[in-house]
Amino acid sequence: EADIYQTPRYLVIGTGKKITLECSQTMGHDKMYWYQQDPGMELHLIHYSYGVNSTEKGDLSSESTVSRIRTEHFPLTLESARPSHTSQYLCASSVHGGLRQEQFFGPGTRLTVL
Amino acid sequence: TQLLEQSPQFLSIQEGENLTVYCNSSSVFSSLQWYRQEPGEGPVLLVTVVTGGEVKKLKRLTFQFGDARKDSSLHITAAQPGDTGLYLCAGDSGGSNYKLTFGKGTLLTVNP
Repeated sequence: EADIYQTPRYLVIGTGKKITLECSQTMGHDKMYWYQQDPGMELHLIHYSYGVNSTEKGDLSSESTVSRIRTEHFPLTLESARPSHTSQYLCASSVHGGLRQEQFFGPGTRLTVL
Repeated sequence: TQLLEQSPQFLSIQEGENLTVYCNSSSVFSSLQWYRQEPGEGPVLLVTVVTGGEVKKLKRLTFQFGDARKDSSLHITAAQPGDTGLYLCAGDSGGSNYKLTFGKGTLLTVNP
């Protein structure tokens, strides 16, 4: 059972507000990821981290930023939320062994910006 | 850029029917994962296949990795309403790129 947590699960907020989506994992995984997903649609990688003090932008351009000060914590911040940011945000961490890479996902944060 | 094409995109069937969904690419992957995602939740890992030609079974679900490690299939026998969800395949190209390539998914609805 993967232990990766996201808070809040749901967030409704007005335009212009600053928000931080929290993600924590207790598995000691070095690699962590943020994906954006609209309902029933594909996942888009927006940020990833290979370890503490390492962050990279993903394949989909995003106005959000991330930080990785501790191995277990990978928060995502939007300085000024806009309606176009409305989406589901999924956090994941991964383990690598031999030829396999497996990612474990949190339950997601459903963000609605009014 | 590596791409994973999943088909069909949508599938609606009756309880008890069998079905197969496909995941195809022109690229070789060192491993491939299948995930199931229920509405409002994160994807849950079902299986990882690594060896070309490998077949894995998980109760009524059978996963196969193509001989050339470019494609995979998921077969569900006697589908149940609890199988409803978005099925995603994801490929790992290996090396130091610790990212997965995800397909767009197959949205399966099993009607009682």
